[in-house]
Amino acid sequence: DQQVKQNSPSLSVQEGRISILNCDYTNSMFDYFLWYKKYPAEGPTFLISISSIKDKNEDGRFTVFLNKSAKHLSLHIVPSQPGDSAVYFCAAARDSSNTGKLIFGQGTTLQVKP
Amino acid sequence: EAQVTQNPRYLITVTGKKLTVTCSQNMNHEYMSWYRQDPGLGLRQIYYSMNVEVTDKGDVPEGYKVSRKEKRNFPLILESPSPNQTSLYFCASSLIARQGTPYEQYFGPGTRLTVT
Repeated sequence: DQQVKQNSPSLSVQEGRISILNCDYTNSMFDYFLWYKKYPAEGPTFLISISSIKDKNEDGRFTVFLNKSAKHLSLHIVPSQPGDSAVYFCAAARDSSNTGKLIFGQGTTLQVKP
Repeated sequence: EAQVTQNPRYLITVTGKKLTVTCSQNMNHEYMSWYRQDPGLGLRQIYYSMNVEVTDKGDVPEGYKVSRKEKRNFPLILESPSPNQTSLYFCASSLIARQGTPYEQYFGPGTRLTVT
């Protein structure tokens, strides 16, 4: 049972345009969400996070939006750059628990074309 | 340089031959974890450790063992590897946040394991 889902395996955008990556979750107990970026032959690296008490968090070109009622979050990259081409994973956690468990989505491969 | 290291990076082995993948971090992180990445399934947590001598199962622990005798090391042990354990494995570490859930995990470069 996939509790965190990224339904788009891939996304292709033109350099300078907006990239929007989506993530849905089913467990309403999740209250902390993260995005990781992964280049080939490297481990994932943390990108941005958001707590459920917020609906938006911004860090430079990256913004994460959280819609708790829809159990949906999205990552916006503006403007997109060729160096953003990577696999993006969303992840969810229960901040209120003490389990240490992170649940990851399947990943979305972003290609930014020059 | 702050980092998580894994060894070996690549390993081809045969069914039933015990193996250990080492993981070490130099950031004094309390939390460490092992994941496997498979096509279409993303990253799935195998085991995690909140501190020395404290380990717990993730979502896919069957066929794996771990130990946390020192803060910096968290080896992954496959006592009797099988072909379905062919995968890309990542070790990660992080500080424990105020309420106990580790955020912003730092990942190692990965170990590609093939079991024939």
